[in-house]
Amino acid sequence: AQSVSQHNHHVILSEAASLELGCNYSYGGTVNLFWYVQYPGQHLQLLLKYFSGDPLVKGIKGFEAEFIKSKFSFNLRKPSVQWSDTAEYFCAVTEWGNTGKLIFGQGTTLQVKP
Amino acid sequence: EAQVTQNPRYLITVTGKKLTVTCSQNMNHEYMSWYRQDPGLGLRQIYYSMNVEVTDKGDVPEGYKVSRKEKRNFPLILESPSPNQTSLYFCASSLRTGGLSSYEQYFGPGTRLTVT
Repeated sequence: AQSVSQHNHHVILSEAASLELGCNYSYGGTVNLFWYVQYPGQHLQLLLKYFSGDPLVKGIKGFEAEFIKSKFSFNLRKPSVQWSDTAEYFCAVTEWGNTGKLIFGQGTTLQVKP
Repeated sequence: EAQVTQNPRYLITVTGKKLTVTCSQNMNHEYMSWYRQDPGLGLRQIYYSMNVEVTDKGDVPEGYKVSRKEKRNFPLILESPSPNQTSLYFCASSLRTGGLSSYEQYFGPGTRLTVT
Protein backbone atom coordinates (compact mmCIF):
# COMPACT_ATOMS: atom_id res chain seq x y z
CA ALA A 1 0.00 0.00 0.00
CA GLN A 2 1.09 3.50 -0.72
CA SER A 3 2.57 5.32 2.27
CA VAL A 4 4.25 8.58 3.19
CA SER A 5 6.96 8.93 5.81
CA GLN A 6 8.04 12.10 7.51
CA HIS A 7 11.25 11.48 9.37
CA ASN A 8 11.22 14.43 11.70
CA HIS A 9 8.36 14.33 14.18
CA HIS A 10 9.33 17.35 16.24
CA VAL A 11 11.78 20.03 15.17
CA ILE A 12 12.90 22.96 17.27
CA LEU A 13 14.74 25.83 15.61
CA SER A 14 15.75 29.35 16.44
CA GLU A 15 14.58 32.21 14.27
CA ALA A 16 16.69 32.70 11.13
CA ALA A 17 17.81 29.06 11.12
CA SER A 18 17.37 27.06 7.95
CA LEU A 19 14.72 24.37 7.73
CA GLU A 20 14.54 21.08 5.91
CA LEU A 21 11.77 18.59 6.58
CA GLY A 22 12.07 15.16 5.04
CA CYS A 23 9.30 13.37 3.18
CA ASN A 24 9.47 10.03 1.40
CA TYR A 25 6.69 8.15 -0.33
CA SER A 26 6.42 4.55 -1.39
CA TYR A 27 4.47 4.60 -4.65
CA GLY A 28 6.51 3.89 -7.78
CA GLY A 29 4.22 5.42 -10.37
CA THR A 30 3.36 8.98 -11.26
CA VAL A 31 2.33 10.99 -8.23
CA ASN A 32 1.18 14.41 -7.24
CA LEU A 33 2.87 15.78 -4.13
CA PHE A 34 1.77 18.35 -1.59
CA TRP A 35 2.90 20.05 1.57
CA TYR A 36 0.20 21.35 3.88
CA VAL A 37 0.63 23.47 6.98
CA GLN A 38 -1.63 23.59 10.02
CA TYR A 39 -1.14 26.59 12.30
CA PRO A 40 -2.28 26.11 15.90
CA GLY A 41 -6.05 25.83 16.06
CA GLN A 42 -6.49 26.27 12.33
CA HIS A 43 -7.32 24.09 9.36
CA LEU A 44 -4.87 22.77 6.81
CA GLN A 45 -3.59 25.15 4.18
CA LEU A 46 -1.68 24.29 1.05
CA LEU A 47 1.96 25.42 1.10
CA LEU A 48 2.97 24.07 -2.27
CA LYS A 49 2.32 21.31 -4.75
CA TYR A 50 4.10 19.38 -7.46
CA PHE A 51 2.30 17.91 -10.44
CA SER A 52 4.94 17.90 -13.18
CA GLY A 53 7.72 19.97 -14.71
CA ASP A 54 10.44 21.71 -12.72
CA PRO A 55 11.16 19.53 -9.68
CA LEU A 56 11.98 22.57 -7.58
CA VAL A 57 8.67 24.01 -6.49
CA LYS A 58 8.18 27.33 -4.77
CA GLY A 59 5.26 27.90 -2.47
CA ILE A 60 3.88 30.56 -0.20
CA LYS A 61 5.72 32.26 2.66
CA GLY A 62 9.18 31.51 1.26
CA PHE A 63 8.87 27.73 1.32
CA GLU A 64 10.13 25.48 -1.43
CA ALA A 65 10.37 21.77 -2.03
CA GLU A 66 12.37 19.56 -4.31
CA PHE A 67 11.01 16.45 -5.94
CA ILE A 68 13.69 13.80 -6.41
CA LYS A 69 12.07 10.93 -8.25
CA SER A 70 15.00 8.53 -7.83
CA LYS A 71 14.84 8.95 -4.07
CA PHE A 72 11.04 9.05 -3.82
CA SER A 73 11.47 12.23 -1.83
CA PHE A 74 9.82 15.63 -1.61
CA ASN A 75 11.65 17.56 1.09
CA LEU A 76 10.44 20.93 2.28
CA ARG A 77 12.91 23.78 2.79
CA LYS A 78 13.02 27.34 3.97
CA PRO A 79 16.28 29.32 4.20
CA SER A 80 15.34 31.35 7.26
CA VAL A 81 12.43 30.48 9.55
CA GLN A 82 10.37 32.91 11.54
CA TRP A 83 8.50 32.51 14.81
CA SER A 84 5.26 32.62 12.80
CA ASP A 85 6.28 29.41 11.03
CA THR A 86 5.54 27.48 14.21
CA ALA A 87 3.01 24.93 13.03
CA GLU A 88 2.49 21.32 12.04
CA TYR A 89 3.57 20.36 8.54
CA PHE A 90 2.15 17.49 6.54
CA CYS A 91 3.48 15.90 3.40
CA ALA A 92 0.86 14.22 1.21
CA VAL A 93 0.75 12.29 -2.02
CA THR A 94 -1.94 11.25 -4.42
CA GLU A 95 -1.61 8.91 -7.33
CA TRP A 96 -1.95 10.31 -10.82
CA GLY A 97 -5.43 9.69 -12.12
CA ASN A 98 -6.63 7.99 -8.99
CA THR A 99 -9.61 8.54 -6.73
CA GLY A 100 -8.15 11.74 -5.34
CA LYS A 101 -7.32 10.23 -2.00
CA LEU A 102 -4.60 12.17 -0.26
CA ILE A 103 -2.26 9.97 1.75
CA PHE A 104 -0.66 11.96 4.51
CA GLY A 105 2.51 11.54 6.46
CA GLN A 106 2.38 11.57 10.24
CA GLY A 107 3.20 15.24 10.39
CA THR A 108 6.13 17.26 11.73
CA THR A 109 5.67 19.76 14.51
CA LEU A 110 7.92 22.76 14.02
CA GLN A 111 8.61 25.02 16.95
CA VAL A 112 10.50 28.22 16.21
CA LYS A 113 12.00 29.99 19.18
CA PRO A 114 12.14 33.80 18.99
CA GLU B 1 -15.66 33.92 0.00
CA ALA B 2 -14.73 30.47 -1.25
CA GLN B 3 -14.74 28.09 1.66
CA VAL B 4 -15.56 24.76 3.20
CA THR B 5 -17.68 24.95 6.33
CA GLN B 6 -18.28 22.35 8.99
CA ASN B 7 -20.72 22.18 11.84
CA PRO B 8 -20.48 21.78 14.69
CA ARG B 9 -16.90 22.81 15.43
CA TYR B 10 -16.89 21.08 18.80
CA LEU B 11 -19.06 18.22 19.99
CA ILE B 12 -19.10 16.11 23.12
CA THR B 13 -21.44 13.16 23.05
CA VAL B 14 -22.03 9.79 24.64
CA THR B 15 -21.52 6.31 23.27
CA GLY B 16 -24.31 5.19 20.98
CA LYS B 17 -26.01 8.52 20.38
CA LYS B 18 -26.29 9.10 16.65
CA LEU B 19 -24.76 12.29 15.34
CA THR B 20 -24.17 14.08 12.06
CA VAL B 21 -21.37 16.45 11.18
CA THR B 22 -22.26 18.66 8.26
CA CYS B 23 -19.91 19.82 5.54
CA SER B 24 -20.71 22.34 2.85
CA GLN B 25 -18.64 23.97 0.10
CA ASN B 26 -19.53 26.94 -2.07
CA MET B 27 -17.01 26.38 -4.86
CA ASN B 28 -19.04 24.01 -7.02
CA HIS B 29 -16.46 21.31 -6.39
CA GLU B 30 -17.14 17.81 -7.63
CA TYR B 31 -14.90 15.99 -5.17
CA MET B 32 -15.42 15.92 -1.42
CA SER B 33 -13.80 13.88 1.29
CA TRP B 34 -13.71 13.29 5.04
CA TYR B 35 -10.53 12.75 7.06
CA ARG B 36 -9.81 12.14 10.69
CA GLN B 37 -6.68 13.41 12.35
CA ASP B 38 -5.13 11.57 15.28
CA PRO B 39 -1.81 12.29 17.02
CA GLY B 40 1.06 10.43 15.43
CA LEU B 41 -1.09 9.11 12.60
CA GLY B 42 -1.54 12.21 10.47
CA LEU B 43 -4.78 12.40 8.52
CA ARG B 44 -6.57 9.32 7.27
CA GLN B 45 -9.36 9.30 4.75
CA ILE B 46 -12.74 8.03 5.93
CA TYR B 47 -14.96 8.40 2.85
CA TYR B 48 -14.88 10.33 -0.37
CA SER B 49 -17.30 11.34 -3.10
CA MET B 50 -16.42 11.89 -6.74
CA ASN B 51 -19.76 13.57 -7.45
CA VAL B 52 -23.43 13.60 -6.48
CA GLU B 53 -24.66 10.13 -5.51
CA VAL B 54 -21.14 8.70 -5.93
CA THR B 55 -19.40 7.79 -2.67
CA ASP B 56 -16.76 5.26 -1.69
CA LYS B 57 -14.79 4.08 1.31
CA GLY B 58 -11.44 5.48 2.24
CA ASP B 59 -8.94 3.86 4.58
CA VAL B 60 -10.91 3.94 7.83
CA PRO B 61 -14.65 3.79 6.98
CA GLU B 62 -15.80 1.53 9.83
CA GLY B 63 -18.43 3.16 12.00
CA TYR B 64 -19.16 5.98 9.57
CA LYS B 65 -21.68 6.71 6.84
CA VAL B 66 -21.90 9.49 4.28
CA SER B 67 -24.30 10.74 1.68
CA ARG B 68 -24.00 13.08 -1.30
CA LYS B 69 -27.47 14.14 -2.36
CA GLU B 70 -26.40 17.63 -3.38
CA LYS B 71 -23.14 18.78 -4.85
CA ARG B 72 -22.38 21.26 -2.08
CA ASN B 73 -23.09 19.04 0.95
CA PHE B 74 -21.35 15.94 2.26
CA PRO B 75 -22.47 15.05 5.77
CA LEU B 76 -20.65 12.52 7.95
CA ILE B 77 -22.90 10.29 10.02
CA LEU B 78 -21.93 8.30 13.09
CA GLU B 79 -24.82 5.93 13.71
CA SER B 80 -23.51 4.64 17.03
CA PRO B 81 -20.43 6.57 18.11
CA SER B 82 -17.80 4.89 20.24
CA PRO B 83 -14.88 6.35 22.22
CA ASN B 84 -12.38 5.28 19.55
CA GLN B 85 -14.05 7.76 17.22
CA THR B 86 -12.90 10.63 19.40
CA SER B 87 -10.86 12.62 16.95
CA LEU B 88 -10.49 15.78 14.91
CA TYR B 89 -12.44 15.56 11.67
CA PHE B 90 -11.80 17.51 8.50
CA CYS B 91 -13.91 17.82 5.41
CA ALA B 92 -12.18 18.70 2.15
CA SER B 93 -13.20 19.45 -1.41
CA SER B 94 -11.54 19.92 -4.76
CA LEU B 95 -12.67 20.92 -8.20
CA ARG B 96 -12.25 17.42 -9.52
CA THR B 97 -9.72 14.69 -9.50
CA GLY B 98 -8.23 12.11 -11.81
CA GLY B 99 -6.89 12.66 -15.26
CA LEU B 100 -3.73 14.62 -15.80
CA SER B 101 -3.59 16.14 -12.38
CA SER B 102 -5.29 16.17 -9.06
CA TYR B 103 -6.55 19.53 -7.98
CA GLU B 104 -5.72 21.10 -4.67
CA GLN B 105 -7.98 20.05 -1.82
CA TYR B 106 -9.46 22.80 0.34
CA PHE B 107 -10.05 21.90 3.95
CA GLY B 108 -12.75 22.94 6.38
CA PRO B 109 -11.94 24.27 9.87
CA GLY B 110 -12.33 20.90 11.57
CA THR B 111 -14.74 19.35 14.05
CA ARG B 112 -13.38 18.18 17.35
CA LEU B 113 -15.47 15.23 18.51
CA THR B 114 -15.29 13.63 21.94
CA VAL B 115 -17.23 10.44 22.61
CA THR B 116 -17.49 9.44 26.28
